[in-house]
Amino acid sequence: KQEVTQIPAALSVPEGENLVLNCSFTDSAIYNLQWFRQDPGKGLTSLLLIQSSQREQTSGRLNASLDKSSGRSTLYIAASQPGDSATYLCAVSDSSYKLIFGSGTRLLVRP
Amino acid sequence: EADIYQTPRYLVIGTGKKITLECSQTMGHDKMYWYQQDPGMELHLIHYSYGVNSTEKGDLSSESTVSRIRTEHFPLTLESARPSHTSQYLCASSPFLSGTGDRGTEAFFGQGTRLTVV
Repeated sequence: KQEVTQIPAALSVPEGENLVLNCSFTDSAIYNLQWFRQDPGKGLTSLLLIQSSQREQTSGRLNASLDKSSGRSTLYIAASQPGDSATYLCAVSDSSYKLIFGSGTRLLVRP
Repeated sequence: EADIYQTPRYLVIGTGKKITLECSQTMGHDKMYWYQQDPGMELHLIHYSYGVNSTEKGDLSSESTVSRIRTEHFPLTLESARPSHTSQYLCASSPFLSGTGDRGTEAFFGQGTRLTVV
């Protein structure tokens, strides 16, 4: 059974810092890995999608990497801003047709 | 831009009432999902579907039921609401194949329905 873990559970950093969020999964036979952002009480916004054949994806200040063989992904946020404060979730999709989420990392960027 | 809609956004209802949460998408996606999320907690998959007339239970046991009669529509029903059903319900969809034929496809979420049962 696929399990997804995210560390740290919470992170507080001063504005301007570069930071790394981690995601690991137990079964490497995935189709893709997706990073989402969730603001309090809202739905999820897709940030980056990495196909199983890819190593990384970039969008603006965000960079996500995927090491499928070791079951790991990282989300790198450069020059963090207070507006980046949110919960960041990773999810994997595999042949089970499910989309399986980690428990998320709550990020607070202090002005 | 995601075209997936959930209604209502907020619902307060009395115990014992039957309710249906609506989820519709206009992207022609085959796969659809329902998640339950308590405030500040993780998402739990309660139902999913990979096409018309297919529905499966997720990893979290739920007293709700779903149907998939049309590709674009995936409603969730609670026959008799209870206070323990108070939560946020999130719907998502994704296609089987990407435009390049890759099976790693992007999922999109609706804004959610916040349900309170009193």
